[in-house]
Amino acid sequence: QSALSQPASVSGSPGQSVTVSCTGLSSDFGDNNYVSWYQQHPGKAPKLIIYHVNNRPSGISNRFSGSKSGNTASLTISGLQAEDEADYYCSSYEANRMFGGGTKLTVL
Amino acid sequence: ELQLVESGGGPVQPGGPLRLSCAASGLTFTTSWMNWVRQAPGKGLEWVASISPDGTDVAYVDSVRGRFTISRDNADNSLFLQMGSLRADDTAVYYCMRDRGYWTFDSWGQGTPVTVSS
Repeated sequence: QSALSQPASVSGSPGQSVTVSCTGLSSDFGDNNYVSWYQQHPGKAPKLIIYHVNNRPSGISNRFSGSKSGNTASLTISGLQAEDEADYYCSSYEANRMFGGGTKLTVL
Repeated sequence: ELQLVESGGGPVQPGGPLRLSCAASGLTFTTSWMNWVRQAPGKGLEWVASISPDGTDVAYVDSVRGRFTISRDNADNSLFLQMGSLRADDTAVYYCMRDRGYWTFDSWGQGTPVTVSS
């Protein structure tokens, strides 16, 4: 059982914005900003898309953004595109080496 | 960027052993914490094991401690996972990954599937 809770699924239409939440205890996030998000397409390896709450690795679209408030971290995807349909996982340095349970994003 | 390629997965009978390998290419392997993470069919990600850059510090998820051993060969840029006493619930795709620091995995292999079944 994941220490970090994510909604099982979210959906949105092309061009819209969606937000994926990642909720835990305050101790799961601590006072640091070491929250990461991963995108996984079916049959593929996960890929880092956000690190340190709101930083994007080179090559990741600026349509992806992250934030954190209290015991909840969030991933926002703006200007939804069909290629964004995937599973998304959060993780936190403080959360005892656990990932969130994952959220399936469906682009309608 | 670190390129990672896993191998060694396949079918195995319950109770049997299996050794996974991960070949790394790039300049940062020898200075990186490395990890194995697995994903059971239709399930989420589960961290399995970690190893420090010099190999002296290792950690395991409770469910594999005592059965799995993580190791590395920095001279050969390779990471290993020796798995023993395999069970059906060890069936998963196993990924090796690099931790760039603070539980941030920036390099992933393509994964190698392990199926434990009689």
